[in-house]
Amino acid sequence: DAGVIQSPRHEVTEMGQEVTLRCKPISGHNSLFWYRQTMMRGLELLIYFNNNVPIDDSGMPEDRFSAKMPNASFSTLKIQPSEPRDSAVYFCASSRTAPSPLHFGNGTRLTVT
Amino acid sequence: AQSVTQLDSQVPVFEEAPVELRCNYSSSVSVYLFWYVQYPNQGLQLLLKYLSGSTLVESINGFEAEFNKSQTSFHLRKPSVHISDTAEYFCAVSPLRGDNDMRFGAGTRLTVKP
Repeated sequence: DAGVIQSPRHEVTEMGQEVTLRCKPISGHNSLFWYRQTMMRGLELLIYFNNNVPIDDSGMPEDRFSAKMPNASFSTLKIQPSEPRDSAVYFCASSRTAPSPLHFGNGTRLTVT
Repeated sequence: AQSVTQLDSQVPVFEEAPVELRCNYSSSVSVYLFWYVQYPNQGLQLLLKYLSGSTLVESINGFEAEFNKSQTSFHLRKPSVHISDTAEYFCAVSPLRGDNDMRFGAGTRLTVKP
């Protein structure tokens, strides 16, 4: 079991640039979650998918954020254009059907200057 | 939707002292409850969970939590902490039925001092 794999581990970009974060969930898991963690706001759920279908995207901050899950083994979170306030650690997590604990990746630390 | 309140943002304790990290939840439906731990520069890891049965659940490293339905609480306790327990702890809740829609509390930073 390789765990949830996120890439890149760190991303530094300038304001206005497009940023794409990637996630490979654990094989056999059918739910995938994107969270954002900051000191000020803690751990926020951005969006989650069941069987590749977005179920709840109410946590996505604004239209600059978009997430896709084209197949069961890959998901992306895109920010276009990026802004300094998007700086945070972004976590991807996956799980089996409820009730199941979430398995987290090690996160992507995004810095927008 | 369900929500979680962790009453203490920081808890400093001395090594070998007991500790309690408090968690209260709010939900209109029955829920499952979890505690996760996050070490620096890592993702969250499951510490323990309550799904059903005995209301007292334990982890392999000496933590325990008790589900109290009347008080809607799921406090985490350890009778004697170690330096290595220094981390951030998150309480989480997901609904009994439907999607695995898991919501987390704001976290409690436990610092164990020598």
